[in-house]
Amino acid sequence: SQTIHQWPATLVQPVGSPLSLECTVEGTSNPNLYWYRQAAGRGLQLLFYSVGIGQISSEVPQNLSASRPQDRQFILSSKKLLLSDSGFYLCAWSGEYNQPQHFGDGTRLSIL
Amino acid sequence: RKEVEQDPGPFNVPEGATVAFNCTYSNSASQSFFWYRQDCRKEPKLLMSVYSSGNEDGRFTAQLNRASQYISLLIRDSKLSDSATYLCVVRGANFGNEKLTFGTGTRLTIIP
Repeated sequence: SQTIHQWPATLVQPVGSPLSLECTVEGTSNPNLYWYRQAAGRGLQLLFYSVGIGQISSEVPQNLSASRPQDRQFILSSKKLLLSDSGFYLCAWSGEYNQPQHFGDGTRLSIL
Repeated sequence: RKEVEQDPGPFNVPEGATVAFNCTYSNSASQSFFWYRQDCRKEPKLLMSVYSSGNEDGRFTAQLNRASQYISLLIRDSKLSDSATYLCVVRGANFGNEKLTFGTGTRLTIIP
């Protein structure tokens, strides 16, 4: 069966520091991959999605970037974190057309 | 008009009661529909897909009304463990097949 791994579970970073969050999927090939952010008490905001290696679509302008170096690996990065980057970051995958998305456990990021 | 709209609640319902949520979507060409539940500080988890003919899974019933562009979720004989935020999710044809749009959620608390 398919599983999705996301780490770390929690992260506390100072303003201006870099960020790298990693997500990997097992048990499937060529998944669609997604990064979301959820601010406290708010809905899910799609940040990036990818339909294949090296293919990244950005949904909102921000100081974050995403990369997909391997088929089942999706990385969220920043060179310099802002206070507004705090939130709950979720990675998700989906299979073929019309399939739902399945989420990793999430990373709770606090910027100090 | 928001792409996916839900009553944020909160709904405070006694244990054993029946509760219903509605959700409206703006894109008449939307292709697939889902209900997710999200527990506090956790990732969203797929509850059920919503099919045109309506579908049932134990105590949960989902219905889709394409003409009126709304989706409903009915929970019968509610349990304390049903307390969560319920997210209405829509995949719209004009977004491309890869993306889902999440509602902001309806918060449900089951009272003993």
